[in-house]
Amino acid sequence: SQTIHQWPATLVQPVGSPLSLECTVEGTSNPNLYWYRQAAGRGLQLLFYSVGIGQISSEVPQNLSASRPQDRQFILSSKKLLLSDSGFYLCAWDRGLVNTEAFFGQGTRLTVV
Amino acid sequence: GNSVTQMEGPVTLSEEAFLTINCTYTATGYPSLFWYVQYPGEGLQLLLKATKADDKGSNKGFEATYRKETTSFHLEKGSVQVSDSAVYFCALSDRKGGSEKLVFGKGTKLTVNP
Repeated sequence: SQTIHQWPATLVQPVGSPLSLECTVEGTSNPNLYWYRQAAGRGLQLLFYSVGIGQISSEVPQNLSASRPQDRQFILSSKKLLLSDSGFYLCAWDRGLVNTEAFFGQGTRLTVV
Repeated sequence: GNSVTQMEGPVTLSEEAFLTINCTYTATGYPSLFWYVQYPGEGLQLLLKATKADDKGSNKGFEATYRKETTSFHLEKGSVQVSDSAVYFCALSDRKGGSEKLVFGKGTKLTVNP
């Protein structure tokens, strides 16, 4: 069966520090991968998606970047965190088919102080 | 662009009460519609979906019908249980560039009391 791992679960980081959140998927190959963020009082917003190794599409301009160094690994990064980067980050994958279901990780609660 | 407007919460009900969570959408074309649920301490998981007009998605006693004329996908359950306490997200799919991107509503927190 397929599983998705996302870590850490919670993170408190000072302003200006770097960030690296990692997500890995097991039990499938060539998944589409996604990073979503939920900021306070807002819905889940798509940040990045990837349809293959090294292929990253950004949905919104921001202080973050994403990379996909391996087929089932998706990393969210920042060189210098801002207060506004605080939020709940969710990694997800799907099979790349039309109307397919997305499977989500358990999320990372990031607080920038 | 595409968007989803979802009933603001929180919603608090007693066990066995009837539940409705309203969801309307704006989209070009005919997207698929989804309800995802997030139980406390867990990630989101698909509750139900509908892929075309007049389709009804159902799961665990929950139902939602894809209404193109009113651009709605309201979630209903006839008799809620304490175990239904969770955050519910309405979403539509926006297929672009080979990916099925989801556009979410803000989520509705449901608390069911015994």
